[in-house]
Amino acid sequence: DAGITQSPRHKVTETGTPVTLRCHQTENHRYMYWYRQDPGHGLRLIHYSYGVKDTDKGEVSDGYSVSRSKTEDFLLTLESATSSQTSVYFCAISEKGASGTIDTQYFGPGTRLTVL
Amino acid sequence: RKEVEQDPGPFNVPEGATVAFNCTYSNSASQSFFWYRQDCRKEPKLLMSVYSSGNEDGRFTAQLNRASQYISLLIRDSKLSDSATYLCAVKTGGSYIPTFGRGTSLIVHP
Repeated sequence: DAGITQSPRHKVTETGTPVTLRCHQTENHRYMYWYRQDPGHGLRLIHYSYGVKDTDKGEVSDGYSVSRSKTEDFLLTLESATSSQTSVYFCAISEKGASGTIDTQYFGPGTRLTVL
Repeated sequence: RKEVEQDPGPFNVPEGATVAFNCTYSNSASQSFFWYRQDCRKEPKLLMSVYSSGNEDGRFTAQLNRASQYISLLIRDSKLSDSATYLCAVKTGGSYIPTFGRGTSLIVHP
């Protein structure tokens, strides 16, 4: 299994509070991603990173920010949590393969976030 | 039209059956294709990449049909443990962001 951990694994918080989720990898992969997964919507990309301090928005980035100060860590922050952000959050990593194309993604175990 | 589409199912099959899922994609520039398996309340895990010539891994066979723009996953001799959601992912050559389908649910019953 790819060396990806997420913390916390479960969190319950209240509307309006800030929340930070952490993704940590030991694979030294350049590319990291944050997804949310909800019934009926599948996996939706929130933000991604293509290197230290290089990040960009995905399709559902409103209300989220990210930071990547080290190769191994990618943080996702909900600036002011809302009930619509109750979801399962997955981090993923990938790297360029020998052919130069980006290899497949490997996912972390997920964080279940409930916003009351 | 969604970029990547899958029949959500569920597909209910008895043990030992053969079952096949398709995943259609709309971007003709797509070059990389993958099947993932996701168990309930777990992360997606790579099942297999899909190569142009098709590929097989034990009871699982993946194929690509570029002309009709779909990939398929065939599972032979289904086991109870095959029950899961199967996600397809499609990526263009220059991108490092795949597009995922919403998944197909498979239930294998005794």
